[in-house]
Amino acid sequence: AQTVTQSQPEMSVQEAETVTLSCTYDTSESDYYLFWYKQPPSRQMILVIRQEAYKQQNATENRFSVNFQKAAKSFSLKISDSQLGDAAMYFCAYRSWSQGGSEKLVFGKGTKLTVNP
Amino acid sequence: DAGITQSPRYKITETGRQVTLMCHQTWSHSYMFWYRQDLGHGLRLIYYSAAADITDKGEVPDGYVVSRSKTENFPLTLESATRSQTSVYFCASRVGTNTEAFFGQGTRLTVV
Repeated sequence: AQTVTQSQPEMSVQEAETVTLSCTYDTSESDYYLFWYKQPPSRQMILVIRQEAYKQQNATENRFSVNFQKAAKSFSLKISDSQLGDAAMYFCAYRSWSQGGSEKLVFGKGTKLTVNP
Repeated sequence: DAGITQSPRYKITETGRQVTLMCHQTWSHSYMFWYRQDLGHGLRLIYYSAAADITDKGEVPDGYVVSRSKTENFPLTLESATRSQTSVYFCASRVGTNTEAFFGQGTRLTVV
C-alpha cells in the first residue's frame, strides 16, 4: 500500500521569504500523480499544484513550485514570496495512475504553515 | 450555484442515533468520495463511488453506509453513531480517472 509522509508537523516563515515543505512517499508503481492541497482555517481543501510522475519537469503555479525527485520518492513544495494568506495546513497526496487503483487519494498528515508579518 | 456542497456544515448527535450527511455536486462528475479528517491522521477514505449505483469501500468503512441512486448525490449515513466517529467529513468529486478532485467545505460532526 502506498504511504505519504510529511515529516514537518509545523513550519514558520517570514512574510516575503521562501519556505519549503517536505513530502516523501512510498510506492512500487511507476506512474502516479502527486498533489499539494492547502487547507486554510475555513476548512476548504484547495488544490495548490499537481505533478504527473511521468513528467520530468517540475510543476509550477505562480509562487508555488515543486521539487520532484522520482528516484528518491520525494515531492517538496516551495512557496516563494510568502504572503499572510499562505498560512494554512498543507497536505501532500498521492494517487495511483492505474485504473484499478486510481480511485483514492492517499494523504500525508499535514504541515501547519505559519506566516509571520 | 455550481460546485459541490455538503450539508449540514455542523451537526451534534447522540451516541446510537442514525445521522446522514449530504453531498451534492452540480458538475455531473462520475467519481465521488467521502473522507474523514482527524488530528494526526490526515484525510482517510471512507467510501467512494465510480458512478451511480456503484460504490466501494475505502480505508475506514466500518460503521458507515453510502448510496448513490443519482449521479449528483452521495449521502453518507452513520447507522448508529459512536464517539469515535466525531470528525470532520469531506465529500469530493472528480470528473474522470486522470483529473483532480474537488472538495466540499466539510461537515463537522460531534457525537456526544
